Amino acid sequence: DTAVSQTPKYLVTQMGNDKSIKCEQNLGHDTMYWYKQDSKKFLKIMFSYNNKELIINETVPNRFSPKSPDKAHLNLHINSLELGDSAVYFCASSRRTSGGLRAYNEQFFGPGTRLTVL
Amino acid sequence: GQSLEQPSEVTAVEGAIVQINCTYQTSGFYGLSWYQQHDGGAPTFLSYNALDGLEETGRFSSFLSRSDSYGYLLLQELQMKDSASYFCAVRDSNTGFQKLVFGTGTRLLVSP
Repeated sequence: DTAVSQTPKYLVTQMGNDKSIKCEQNLGHDTMYWYKQDSKKFLKIMFSYNNKELIINETVPNRFSPKSPDKAHLNLHINSLELGDSAVYFCASSRRTSGGLRAYNEQFFGPGTRLTVL
Repeated sequence: GQSLEQPSEVTAVEGAIVQINCTYQTSGFYGLSWYQQHDGGAPTFLSYNALDGLEETGRFSSFLSRSDSYGYLLLQELQMKDSASYFCAVRDSNTGFQKLVFGTGTRLLVSP
């Protein structure tokens, strides 16, 4: 019954390697997100997809590439990992929010993937 | 752009009431939300304020004053399980309202 799931939960790897994190949601949402939370717990959005279309692409190194094969899945591939990439990466999903002030669709977060680059 | 400021840490004892403040600067305001995150866990949604005033959900209430660009989360009858980090967040109208900008987070420590 997991709403938003991520794999793997922990990822320990060497600098320079390439790794992927996978995310799946079974909530029927049409929008998915990747967030990075650093060691100071600052939570910052990286990417967002709506119905497989990229709608948010923050200032993130080109080494990070998201891919959404369908609206229930959003993966994150990271090339040439660096020490500074060490963080917890959260996937989230929601229904698309309209511009109305009262309209708000909460985001549901996955359990996170703790990435450690050695 | 948006920026949100919160106190870094708040401490309180079980049974007490605590208020976590959030001041924000936004180019266009579209509501203030609150998320809770336990250590090692994922952020979970607590509340959303679109208009001025107090919204109550059980032991938690959230307040908004748009004229002051200020909001707070009020936690009553504190329990040990309320020890967590609390984040305020605003929506970014420049990206079609899908983007949430989170505050710096407030770590709440509840002691016996």
